[in-house]
Amino acid sequence: ELKVEQNPLFLSMQEGKNYTIYCNYSTTSDRLYWYRQDPGKSLESLFVLLSNGAVKQEGRLMASLDTKARLSTLHITAAVHDLSATYFCAVVSFGNEKLTFGTGTRLTIIP
Amino acid sequence: DVKVTQSSRYLVKRTGEKVFLECVQDMDHENMFWYRQDPGLGLRLIYFSYDVKMKEKGDIPEGYSVSREKKERFSLILESASTNQTSMYLCATGTVNYGYTFGSGTRLTVV
Repeated sequence: ELKVEQNPLFLSMQEGKNYTIYCNYSTTSDRLYWYRQDPGKSLESLFVLLSNGAVKQEGRLMASLDTKARLSTLHITAAVHDLSATYFCAVVSFGNEKLTFGTGTRLTIIP
Repeated sequence: DVKVTQSSRYLVKRTGEKVFLECVQDMDHENMFWYRQDPGLGLRLIYFSYDVKMKEKGDIPEGYSVSREKKERFSLILESASTNQTSMYLCATGTVNYGYTFGSGTRLTVV
């Protein structure tokens, strides 16, 4: 059974700082997705990572995938308040199309 | 962009009622998913469908059933609603290579 773990679960950081959210998964996969969720809202797709070594960047967010380590990272550069949200990673394992989510990381950016 | 429409944003039902949650997508995708989201438990897969009339149980199918008679519509059915089914329900569709889009969610309260 595929398990997806994120850490940290909660992250409070000051504006202007850098930080990384980690996503580990338990079985072979090269299909990983990052989402953002604002309070009371649905999930918004951020990144689709489809191969080992894939790196995607959008604004202050950068995501990468290491399939050998079964690890993805979401790096935040020079955080701003607008990035406050909950971030989820999700994985599709080989052989099926089930999308399994991590527990989420609630990010709060403090001015 | 893919559009995923969930029929209700908020729903209040009584214990024992039969509840239908509807989800419609406009992109002819084969895969559709139903998740529930609860604080501290993340997103858990209830059922998914990989084609018309095809379905597969997710991680928490008990107390739910689904129907997919047309490709664009995936319905989640609570046969006899209970208070522990109070939750946010999210529908999604997409592909492995292009990612998955979520509907705006239905917040169901069972009283």
